[in-house]
Amino acid sequence: DAMVIQNPRYQVTQFGKPVTLSCSQTLNHNVMYWYQQKSSQAPKLLFHYYDKDFNNEADTPDNFQSRRPNTSFCFLDIRSPGLGDAAMYLCATSTREGNEQYFGPGTRLTVT
Amino acid sequence: DAKTTQPPSMDCAEGRAANLPCNHSTISGNEYVYWYRQIHSQGPQYIIHGLKNNETNEMASLIITEDRKSSTLILPHATLRDTAVYYCIVRVAEIQGMRFGAGTRLTVKP
Repeated sequence: DAMVIQNPRYQVTQFGKPVTLSCSQTLNHNVMYWYQQKSSQAPKLLFHYYDKDFNNEADTPDNFQSRRPNTSFCFLDIRSPGLGDAAMYLCATSTREGNEQYFGPGTRLTVT
Repeated sequence: DAKTTQPPSMDCAEGRAANLPCNHSTISGNEYVYWYRQIHSQGPQYIIHGLKNNETNEMASLIITEDRKSSTLILPHATLRDTAVYYCIVRVAEIQGMRFGAGTRLTVKP
């Protein structure tokens, strides 16, 4: 089945130690998104790629960056994780219209 | 994007219709209404969307008032597996990404 895959499902990192989260898709969708969801909160859009064009949300901290080396893969890099960055990170994909977004299961990040 | 208002929680009996309201009184003419849901420990799932007309698919029906200031998501025969947080989102089609609000936590009870 076509799907959105996130690895790892659980990631533990140390305060200030760079960490990379991975997302891949078999849907061949043009658009890939990263969302952050903190405990008991709604998902919050961090940024998205429209093909190779990167689009950052205005309030996304500089500490968060992303790479999309090809259509199938997208990475979330957190350069210096703080305790406040502990959250579920959700990857999603969509066609150009963006009406129906397909979400992966998420990666739960713990910062110690 | 227009702001949406949803009740924080609702209960529904299994087998009955679940009617989830959403207020979006500041919606613009080019903004669509979207519904997503998030079952515990899973990523959000698309349900349905619409602009003006009522919409129905295999999961749910979306009823949008004539003035488009509010809408209702209807799950016709709720099951225990429909227990989730339901998000109503208003979005311009050309703007990518969903801006999620607080949502409604629906609990379907036996």
